[in-house]
Amino acid sequence: DVKVTQSSRYLVKRTGEKVFLECVQDMDHENMFWYRQDPGLGLRLIYFSYDVKMKEKGDIPEGYSVSREKKERFSLILESASTNQTSMYLCASSLVQGLAGDEQYFGPGTRLTVT
Amino acid sequence: DAKTTQPNSMESNEEEPVHLPCNHSTISGTDYIHWYRQLPSQGPEYVIHGLTSNVNNRMASLAIAEDRKSSTLILHRATLRDAAVYYCILRGNNDMRFGAGTRLTVKP
Repeated sequence: DVKVTQSSRYLVKRTGEKVFLECVQDMDHENMFWYRQDPGLGLRLIYFSYDVKMKEKGDIPEGYSVSREKKERFSLILESASTNQTSMYLCASSLVQGLAGDEQYFGPGTRLTVT
Repeated sequence: DAKTTQPNSMESNEEEPVHLPCNHSTISGTDYIHWYRQLPSQGPEYVIHGLTSNVNNRMASLAIAEDRKSSTLILHRATLRDAAVYYCILRGNNDMRFGAGTRLTVKP
């Protein structure tokens, strides 16, 4: 089974802190994704990556950056956390670039609270 | 981006079939139709996907209209464990855009 793991299930940070959310997948997938999920808004795509050191902006990249130094790991970075970034963050991976019929595998999510 | 429209919520009785509709009138010829579901306190999980033909797997069936402007996810016998938010998504390349989904309640 594909496994996507996220570094924390729950995280509490203060406004202005730099926050790192880590995601690791163990199936050699090319594509990795970061979403945030908020009540009434569903899942929104923040960034995705289809290869090491490659990244593409999603729908809501402002206030976030990402890093993909190794194929299995995709990090989401909040340079200066703000209260409006309190949310559930979900990481996903999929096998092959450019394959629209490919399924995504999701991690369990990290619930981040910024106070 | 092509969008999907789903009812906000639906109810079903346990052991009965459930038909979850999705409209996607602006679908392009290369868009795949994906369905995911999200159980409480979990990340979304893949259910099924298709392009033009109806599809079956161990979890569900996907019926795609001939003009591809709508589709229906069919759960043949709903169980309490099927209570979740179901997302219908159009996927044309690497990224996926989720809508608000349909919250399915299953009554015993």
